[in-house]
Amino acid sequence: SQTIHQWPATLVQPVGSPLSLECTVEGTSNPNLYWYRQAAGRGLQLLFYSVGIGQISSEVPQNLSASRPQDRQFILSSKKLLLSDSGFYLCAWSVIGGEETQYFGPGTRLLVL
Amino acid sequence: DQQVKQNSPSLSVQEGRISILNCDYTNSMFDYFLWYKKYPAEGPTFLISISSIKDKNEDGRFTVFLNKSAKHLSLHIVPSQPGDSAVYFCAASAMGTYKYIFGTGTRLKVLA
Repeated sequence: SQTIHQWPATLVQPVGSPLSLECTVEGTSNPNLYWYRQAAGRGLQLLFYSVGIGQISSEVPQNLSASRPQDRQFILSSKKLLLSDSGFYLCAWSVIGGEETQYFGPGTRLLVL
Repeated sequence: DQQVKQNSPSLSVQEGRISILNCDYTNSMFDYFLWYKKYPAEGPTFLISISSIKDKNEDGRFTVFLNKSAKHLSLHIVPSQPGDSAVYFCAASAMGTYKYIFGTGTRLKVLA
């Protein structure tokens, strides 16, 4: 069965510090991968998606970036965090050519102070 | 521009009764719809989906209805249980786009 991991679960970072959140998927090959953010009182905002290694599409211009160094690894990064980057970050995967349902990881709660 | 809207931020229902959560969309290219349930500090859990070739899909206590002409879908939970208390998100995608647009969520509270 497929499993998706995210770490860390919780992170408190000062403004201006770098960020690296990692997501890995097990039990499937060549998945579509996604990063979402849920800010307080808001829905899920798609940040990035990837259909293959090194292929990243950005949905919202901001100071975040994403990379996919391996087939089942998706990394969300920032060089300098802003207060507005605080939120709940979710990684998700879906099967290419499958039923298109997305499956989410447990999330990372980021607080920028 | 919010392409997927959940106009009710919250809903309270008595245990055993029906819960109806609504979702409206504006993009006529959307052809696949999903409902997710989310508890605090956890990732959303997939509940049920429906494609545009259907107008109803049922899975146990959960039924999703799609009205394409009205660009409206709804999730019915019967009977509602206290464990159903969570935030429910609807999401939509257009074939081949890989992107899912989520609504802002409806917080359901089932009262015992």
